[in-house]
Formats: sequence, structure tokens, C-alpha cells
Amino acid sequence: KNQVEQSPQSLIILEGKNCTLQCNYTVSPFSNLRWYKQDTGRGPVSLTIMTFSENTKSNGRYTATLDADTKQSSLHITASQLSDSASYICVVSAVEAYKYIFGTGTRLKVLA
Amino acid sequence: DVKVTQSSRYLVKRTGEKVFLECVQDMDHENMFWYRQDPGLGLRLIYFSYDVKMKEKGDIPEGYSVSREKKERFSLILESASTNQTSMYLCASGTGSTGELFFGEGSRLTVL
Repeated sequence: KNQVEQSPQSLIILEGKNCTLQCNYTVSPFSNLRWYKQDTGRGPVSLTIMTFSENTKSNGRYTATLDADTKQSSLHITASQLSDSASYICVVSAVEAYKYIFGTGTRLKVLA
Repeated sequence: DVKVTQSSRYLVKRTGEKVFLECVQDMDHENMFWYRQDPGLGLRLIYFSYDVKMKEKGDIPEGYSVSREKKERFSLILESASTNQTSMYLCASGTGSTGELFFGEGSRLTVL
């Protein structure tokens, strides 16, 4: 069964600290993996995409990694800001067309 | 910038009422999707469309129907709303079979 599991479910950190969010998947055959940021009451917005051959990709203070062998991805946030408070959703695309499998997200709260 | 616009941010309806949720995208995307998002369950696919007048059932189509008469517009219809359809509804559009999804702001529906 295609599944995406994220951990932790929620996380509270102080402003300026770093954090890492985890995503494990069992989707096969794998096409790509995206991390989305969803502010409260808003729609998700894509942060980064990882394909099979990519190990690391950065987008400003966000760095995503992918280990296709262990089927794990992480999203590392550096020097967190209050505006990073949001839910972060891992989405894996299967090769099967239009098949997107969503994790349940990690809710991050950054405190001043 | 891609813009996906959902007609209503907040709706309150009574059980048995017919509900229309409309979604318009301005980037000429072939694919459009309707998801519902519930706490702890992540995003679940209701219906998607890969072309005008084409529609495919997602994982939870029961109680819903859709219409895509024009490429830019995808409507979700609840023929007879029930309390278990109280949820956040997200529309998305995209290109290709595994391409990035662009989401609208969401429509929060409450059925009393």
C-alpha cells in the first residue's frame, strides 16, 4: 500500500533554532517527492521537489534531502523565523499518472 | 504567478442543501483536482480532471460530483450536504502526470 508517514506530528522551537522534519514513504514506483508549506487557513505552497537522482536541494533556509534506498526524506530549516510557523506536508508522486500521496504533515510552531 | 481561485473561503449550509464549490485557474493547466483536508487525515482526493469534460474518481468520491465545462474551471458539487462533509476543501491545478500542484486558498464548509 502506498503510504507517506511524517514525524514528528508537531514541533515547537525557539526563534533562531534549527529543526529537521522527517518523511518516510512506501510509494512505488517512485517519481518525485515534494515538500509543501501550509500556513493556517491557506492552501499549501511548494517548497522543493526531489527526484530519484537528487540527494540534496536547498531553497533559502530550507534544505531537503532524499535517500531513495531507504525511502526517507528530511526537511531541514535553518535559523527559524516566526513566519516558519506552519504545517509542512510531504507529497510523493507515483509513476502512475496523477497519483499523489500526501503525508498528514508536521505542525511547526516557532516561538519568540 | 499561478493563481488558483476558489469562489468561497467560508460557507455554512444546512443538511440536505445542494452546495457548489467553484475553482478557477489562470495558467492553462490541463489537470485540476479537488481534495478535502481533515485533521489527522491529510489531503484526500475526491475527483480529478485531466481535460475538459473528463473526470476521474479519486479515493473518496461518494456524495460528490464534479463538472469541468471549461479548461480553467472545475466545480465540486455536493448534491445533498451532510454533516460528515464538514471540512476544508482544496482545489489544485497542475501540468503533466506528476507535476507540481498549485493550490487555492481553500473553502471551509460547515454543514449544520
